[in-house]
Amino acid sequence: AQSVTQLGSHVSVSEGALVLLRCNYSSSVPPYLFWYVQYPNQGLQLLLKYTSAATLVKGINGFEAEFKKSETSFHLTKPSAHMSDAAEYFCAVMDSSYKLIFGSGTRLLVRP
Amino acid sequence: DAMVIQNPRYQVTQFGKPVTLSCSQTLNHNVMYWYQQKSSQAPKLLFHYYDKDFNNEADTPDNFQSRRPNTSFCFLDIRSPGLGDAAMYLCATAGDDGELFFGEGSRLTVL
Repeated sequence: AQSVTQLGSHVSVSEGALVLLRCNYSSSVPPYLFWYVQYPNQGLQLLLKYTSAATLVKGINGFEAEFKKSETSFHLTKPSAHMSDAAEYFCAVMDSSYKLIFGSGTRLLVRP
Repeated sequence: DAMVIQNPRYQVTQFGKPVTLSCSQTLNHNVMYWYQQKSSQAPKLLFHYYDKDFNNEADTPDNFQSRRPNTSFCFLDIRSPGLGDAAMYLCATAGDDGELFFGEGSRLTVL
């Protein structure tokens, strides 16, 4: 069965610093992987997706993620954090029934 | 332009008083989903549709039902809301690569 694990329920960075949010997946087949962002009282917005094309995926708002099969990882990064990046981030994998399985989420805090 | 529209954004009801949440999508996709999200938790799948083929998750309470009268619309009915049903309810449809597009959500408060 497919699953994702997000390490760190809270990550705090200074404005302008590197953002690194960790996601490891478990899948018996080549996975489809996704990162979503959620702002307070809003729905989830797709940041980026990996669908077995390029291993480095660029998304919206300057985020990118790299698929590493050897490490079963799909970590999300952004070179320079902005105050507006403060939100909840969810990693997700598609299961064999075409349903998304979400990780537990990581709350990103950005310090001025 | 929003692809998934949910109404109402905020719903307050009394304990045991039925509630209906609505969702419409402009992608004309045959798949639609309802998720429940409680505070500081990941979304939890309640139901999904492939066309009119209805699928509920094994642990979705009987108190929750759904209707899909056509491709564009889907409803979530909560027959007798309890305090534990207070949550954000998210509707979604799918893109070409299986990614989900979510609405803004309906936040339910139960008094």
